[in-house]
Amino acid sequence: EVQLVESGGGLVQPGGSLRLSCAASGFTFNSYSMNWVRQAPGKGLEWVSYISISSNTIYYADSVKGRFTISRDNAKNSLYLQMNSLRAEDTAVYYCATDWTVETTGWGQGTLVTVSS
Amino acid sequence: QSVLTQPPSASGTPGQRVTISCSGSSSNIGSNYVYWFQQLPGTAPKLLIYRNNQRPSGVPDRFSGSKSGTSVSLAISGLRSEDEADYYCAAWDGSLSGVAFGGGTKLTVL
Repeated sequence: EVQLVESGGGLVQPGGSLRLSCAASGFTFNSYSMNWVRQAPGKGLEWVSYISISSNTIYYADSVKGRFTISRDNAKNSLYLQMNSLRAEDTAVYYCATDWTVETTGWGQGTLVTVSS
Repeated sequence: QSVLTQPPSASGTPGQRVTISCSGSSSNIGSNYVYWFQQLPGTAPKLLIYRNNQRPSGVPDRFSGSKSGTSVSLAISGLRSEDEADYYCAAWDGSLSGVAFGGGTKLTVL
């Protein structure tokens, strides 16, 4: 069973940085591409970033391009999101999710990032 | 404004069949697979339909997906109270080089 546990969220001032982590277990992490998806309070889902199995293909939403960096460590079964120059509009629950193009997939429970002074 | 357009709300009574639409364009739905996610209140999203009309194991066959051109639909038959949730469509968008989500549809079981 796919298990994903996000961590690293919290309160940060505008312009600050945070690094989110996602610990994977219950599946072969190095066989799945991964995504970060966020959800602002009371709002819908917004895709943030994608990373392929070997990290050679990476995509970002325009809203975070140049500020966020996705990475993974297959040896540690972990996914990361480095978030810099944070803005109020980045306030959201951040979910990590496996590749949903295949049947076996899953989402973490999310970690809340609040950007406020 | 979402790239994929969904009605903000839908409703039905127990046992009824309801459909939720999602419209896009040639750069997303028209040329890529569509995925549907269910988000129950206070929980993380869950994959409901993948590759337009495939159900992951464990998803009841009451849920079905269909696609026509640049629009897709999610149908839920034999509506149950536990189906009350937010539903999102998603597809890769070649123009954006990213994933587009619909704005979500809140389904209420009356």
